[in-house]
Parts: sequence; structure tokens; C-alpha cells
Amino acid sequence: DGGITQSPKYLFRKEGQNVTLSCEQNLNHDAMYWYRQDPGQGLRLIYYSQIVNDFQKGDIAEGYSVSREKKESFPLTVTSAQKNPTAFYLCASSYGTRKGNEQFFGPGTRLTVL
Amino acid sequence: AQSVTQPDIHITVSEGASLELRCNYSYGATPYLFWYVQSPGQGLQLLLKYFSGDTLVQGIKGFEAEFKRSQSSFNLRKPSVHWSDAAEYFCAVGALGGGADGLTFGKGTHLIIQP
Repeated sequence: DGGITQSPKYLFRKEGQNVTLSCEQNLNHDAMYWYRQDPGQGLRLIYYSQIVNDFQKGDIAEGYSVSREKKESFPLTVTSAQKNPTAFYLCASSYGTRKGNEQFFGPGTRLTVL
Repeated sequence: AQSVTQPDIHITVSEGASLELRCNYSYGATPYLFWYVQSPGQGLQLLLKYFSGDTLVQGIKGFEAEFKRSQSSFNLRKPSVHWSDAAEYFCAVGALGGGADGLTFGKGTHLIIQP
């Protein structure tokens, strides 16, 4: 079955560490997105990519980095510069603007800073 | 810039009662509208979408939504809720050929089901 996978489901980080969250899709989607979710805040866009080897900052990109070397993969690195990284992170993909950006979501990764 | 407003942060409904969740949007182009549902600790699942045509759209799990252009609304309804409907619901707007940064989401409505 086609879908989006995120790993790990739970991740714990010590202060000052960088961590990388994995996102893989086999839907042949061009576009991929990373969102951060905090209670009462809804979804906030971190980074997005419309095509391989290209990505753009979203609304809250500071302290995060991404890469898009393959169409199927869009990993997110949470760096030590991110002051409050504890949150639920969601990855999504879509066919892009050709179909109104309908997005398909992965199951999420919960990151906790110890 | 586009925006989506979900006026109700929390809604409590008795099991078996009807439900309506409100969504208002602001978008300059012809909107594509979506409702997603999220169970605790899970990703978002698409309930239904409106692209064009009949303004009353049917979705999964017995949900429906009505697009009203004059009111810039896309309210979600269900005639009889079940305890399993307790979740967070998000309304979102996109547009054909526009918005490379994807969808604009509302902040969500938390649905509580009373027995």
C-alpha cells in the first residue's frame, strides 16, 4: 500500500544535540512538507519542497534544516539552535498545486527534549 | 493572504446528537477546501474535500460538508455522532495552481463526546 512513513515514533533529545526525523513516501508525490504541532497552535509550516533538490522555508524554519536528495525522502534535522523543540512533528506530501495541494500525512514523530 | 478560521476551540456533543463544526475562509482565488481529522498522537486523515461541482460533499465516517461561497464557509456536519468521533478536526484551504507552500490550516476544533 502507498503511504507516508515517519520514524521514529518517539524521539528523545538531550540539550545541545541535533536529531534527524525521517519521512519517506511511496505515493510518487512531488511536494513534501514538515509541520510542527503544539497544543492549541494548530499546524505550523517548517519547510516545504516542491521538487527534488529544492526546498523553501516555511513560517517557523529557524533552528531546523532539511534536504531533498530523493523524491521519496524529506528528512528534517532539529538543531541545537531550536530553543524549544519539544513538539509533535508531522510530515505530509502532495501532488502539488496541480491538485489543489491536497495533502497526505504521516503518523507523526513526538520529540521530547530531556 | 489566505486564512482559515475555526471559531470553536472546543465543542461538546452528546453521543447520538447531531454535530456541526464551523469553518470560515478567506481566499482570493477559487478555493479548494478540506476537512481533516486527527486522533490523539496520530497523523491527519482526510475526511472530505471540495474542488468544484455540488456544494454538498460527502466524506468518510458519515460526515458531510457544505460549501457556501456567499458566506465563505465550509461547515462540517454529522447527523449522529459516535464516541469514536472524539478527535481534533482541522479545516484547510488550498487553490489550483496557487500556494506553493501548500494548504492553510485552521487552528482546529477539539470535539468531546459525552455518553
